[in-house]
Amino acid sequence: AQSVAQPEDQVNVAEGNPLTVKCTYSVSGNPYLFWYVQYPNRGLQFLLKYITGDNLVKGSYGFEAEFNKSQTSFHLKKPSALVSDSALYFCAVRDRAGGSYIPTFGRGTSLIVHP
Amino acid sequence: SAVISQKPSRDICQRGTSLTIQCQVDSQVTMMFWYRQQPGQSLTLIATANQGSEATYESGFVIDKFPISRPNLTFSTLTVSNMSPEDSSIYLCSVDLGRQETQYFGPGTRLLVL
Repeated sequence: AQSVAQPEDQVNVAEGNPLTVKCTYSVSGNPYLFWYVQYPNRGLQFLLKYITGDNLVKGSYGFEAEFNKSQTSFHLKKPSALVSDSALYFCAVRDRAGGSYIPTFGRGTSLIVHP
Repeated sequence: SAVISQKPSRDICQRGTSLTIQCQVDSQVTMMFWYRQQPGQSLTLIATANQGSEATYESGFVIDKFPISRPNLTFSTLTVSNMSPEDSSIYLCSVDLGRQETQYFGPGTRLLVL
């Protein structure tokens, strides 16, 4: 079975400050990990993914995420937040090892960046 | 990547009626998915639709309530039947380009049932 947890319903950060949106996962094998963003009244947009290779993955809009196997985490980060980053962020996981081809999504974290 | 469009983008419907949502993809894909996103909640998978076969429904969703068509590799429809206010939600179409590839989502259909 695969699962993903986003422990924070909401993250508040001031514009210009670094931001972190947390995600932990559980899979029986090795994971494929994804971050998606949903702006108000829009569908989900892909931000970045970890498949293999470097643990630090860089994605769209200056976001990055670090895969930490020992902590089973894949936290989303950005060095300097923008007001326009305010949105709903979803972490998702797929199990590589014969698991479901359907990803499991976290419950989402609302990021609010204050001017 | 894939570009996905959905129609309608939003609708307000009366209780007891049905609404059919269309999903169009700009490339041929094997697997298409329908999700529901209720206010303030995560995505819930309704069903997986493969071309040429019956849709596979997740626990809690049945074909009579959410019939799905998949006539070709670029198109699918989801019908929400005999609607009630509890069906008010965002319905999202999604496609998968391969096991390790990203899922791409349509813009969603915002449904309000009165």
